[in-house]
Amino acid sequence: AQKVTQAQTEISVVEKEDVTLDCVYETRDTTYYLFWYKQPPSGELVFLIRRNSFDEQNEISGRYSWNFQKSTSSFNFTITASQVVDSAVYFCALSEMNYGGATNKLIFGTGTLLAVQP
Amino acid sequence: GAGVSQSPSNKVTEKGKDVELRCDPISGHTALYWYRQSLGQGLEFLIYFQGNSAPDKSGLPSDRFSAERTGGSVSTLTIQRTQQEDSAVYLCASSPRTSGGEDEQFFGPGTRLTVL
Repeated sequence: AQKVTQAQTEISVVEKEDVTLDCVYETRDTTYYLFWYKQPPSGELVFLIRRNSFDEQNEISGRYSWNFQKSTSSFNFTITASQVVDSAVYFCALSEMNYGGATNKLIFGTGTLLAVQP
Repeated sequence: GAGVSQSPSNKVTEKGKDVELRCDPISGHTALYWYRQSLGQGLEFLIYFQGNSAPDKSGLPSDRFSAERTGGSVSTLTIQRTQQEDSAVYLCASSPRTSGGEDEQFFGPGTRLTVL
């Protein structure tokens, strides 16, 4: 069965600290996609990144970086030099490749609440 | 262009009443999704539309829940005989294509439903 686990319920850091949000997934499929979304206090989910299962290259975008390791079924997210504006709930999600469009649903983890203190 | 919009933003209803929640996806997006976000259950998938048809309704929690989509655009999620456990934020999302699973889903602001 598909499952996404975000074991960290809440993390609190002080501004400028680095923080890593963990994501572990389970799937029987060999082709799948992983996503990270941010949900700020305003409530709207904002897309951050997508990764497909064939691309294990790490990615860096400004202060954000992602580490995808198929061997450990993990897709961790690191924020470098955190800022107060990074405070939000972060969700990791899984979508399996489907042929014929039977479904494209996202399976979400339970989210990690990140609080960055000034 | 405009993002996904949902209405109403907040809905308070009494137990046993029916409610309708509306979603306007991004123009041209073929795929539309409904999710529910509640404290105890996190973000749960409800239903997926491919055009006007719904090939995946596996997340609808009971037969009190139904949804339709017309003209390949607007979707309505209807909850009949609401119960207190239906209280949650209902999120709608859309994406450009209907196959592959790789598309980013664009989310609306949600409708917060409170059942008294």
